[in-house]
Amino acid sequence: KNQVEQSPQSLIILEGKNCTLQCNYTVSPFSNLRWYKQDTGRGPVSLTIMTFSENTKSNGRYTATLDADTKQSSLHITASQLSDSASYICVVSDRGSTLGRLYFGRGTQLTVWP
Amino acid sequence: EADIYQTPRYLVIGTGKKITLECSQTMGHDKMYWYQQDPGMELHLIHYSYGVNSTEKGDLSSESTVSRIRTEHFPLTLESARPSHTSQYLCASSGSGPSNNEQFFGPGTRLTVL
Repeated sequence: KNQVEQSPQSLIILEGKNCTLQCNYTVSPFSNLRWYKQDTGRGPVSLTIMTFSENTKSNGRYTATLDADTKQSSLHITASQLSDSASYICVVSDRGSTLGRLYFGRGTQLTVWP
Repeated sequence: EADIYQTPRYLVIGTGKKITLECSQTMGHDKMYWYQQDPGMELHLIHYSYGVNSTEKGDLSSESTVSRIRTEHFPLTLESARPSHTSQYLCASSGSGPSNNEQFFGPGTRLTVL
């Protein structure tokens, strides 16, 4: 069964600190993995995308890693800001369907305190 | 910012009412999707469309229906709303081709059925 598991479920950090969010998946055949940021009451917005051959990708203070062998990914946030408070969702796409089916994790709810 | 719009953003209605949630995109995308998301849970695909006059049911059974008469428009209708339909509904779209499976999300409609 194709699944995406994220940890921790929620995280509270102080402004300026770093944090790392985890994602484990069992989706096969694998196409790509994206991290989305979803602000409260808004739709998800893509932060990074990685294919099978990529093992790291940065977008400003966000750095994602991918280990396709162990089927694990992480999202590292550097020097957190209050605006980073959001849900971070790991999304894995398979290449076994023309739809490009997406499998969503439940997200990690990050709260940044001043 | 993705050019995909949803109206209304918030809707509170009584049981038994018929409602239509609107979704429009100006990116010329062929594929469009409707997801249902409850707090702290993953997104569940309830409907999708490959293009005009194409609609399919998603993974999660839903009593809603959709139509795709125009490329840019993908409305979702509930003939008789019930409290169990209370949820957030997210619309998304994506381009065609294996490398264009990034889905762009609208801001969502928060539906409450009393």
